[in-house]
Amino acid sequence: DIQMTQSPSTLSASVGDRVTITCRASQSISSWLAWYQQKPGKAPKLLIYKASSLESGVPSRFSGSGSGTEFTLTISSLQPDDFATYYCQQYNSFGTWTFGQGTKVEIK
Amino acid sequence: EVQLVQSGAEVKKPGESLKISCKGSGYSFTSYWIGWVRQMPGKGLEWMGIIYPGDSDTRYSPSFQGQVTISADKSISTAYLQWSSLKASDTAMYYCARTPEGESMDVWGQGTTVTVSS
Repeated sequence: DIQMTQSPSTLSASVGDRVTITCRASQSISSWLAWYQQKPGKAPKLLIYKASSLESGVPSRFSGSGSGTEFTLTISSLQPDDFATYYCQQYNSFGTWTFGQGTKVEIK
Repeated sequence: EVQLVQSGAEVKKPGESLKISCKGSGYSFTSYWIGWVRQMPGKGLEWMGIIYPGDSDTRYSPSFQGQVTISADKSISTAYLQWSSLKASDTAMYYCARTPEGESMDVWGQGTTVTVSS
């Protein structure tokens, strides 16, 4: 199985900060990567697909980049609504999708 | 509006069977894969498996193969996740999600909480 490793596990930041979360794959997954946001007690929400494509309705302060084994999710200016846990997910090999362990973005 | 509506919370005893559901509406249910995701209390997301309701093609994560069964009834636009013999370790929130072309998950159900306790 392809393993996905996110860093950091927890991130403390202030409103207005630029935030970057990294996701590394144990082998190349081309651009087959998605990012999700999850708030407590809620279902995850798709933010980014194919590594850098912004899902419809998602604010433009969210962006994704990378290919191969290293990927990043960037929030250009953190807003109060962005404090949540973020997960990456690879879908390179059909039928063997895996998620990263998550990155919790906390208020500093 | 595209949505997935899941069945309600369940409380079961170890050894009991269970089938939870996920009903799609607002789109062509038979044209999109439906995936299932587990989230144990306080933990991250785990991909369990996926089904294509159009022909019931099903794939499982190796971690869940043989532990659960995924099925679908396209006549009522509903996907299912079932257990034949629950364990305490099955206690978790379970989400279904629409998976266009078997890739990212763009529409999620609200989740079904399953509690297994003696």
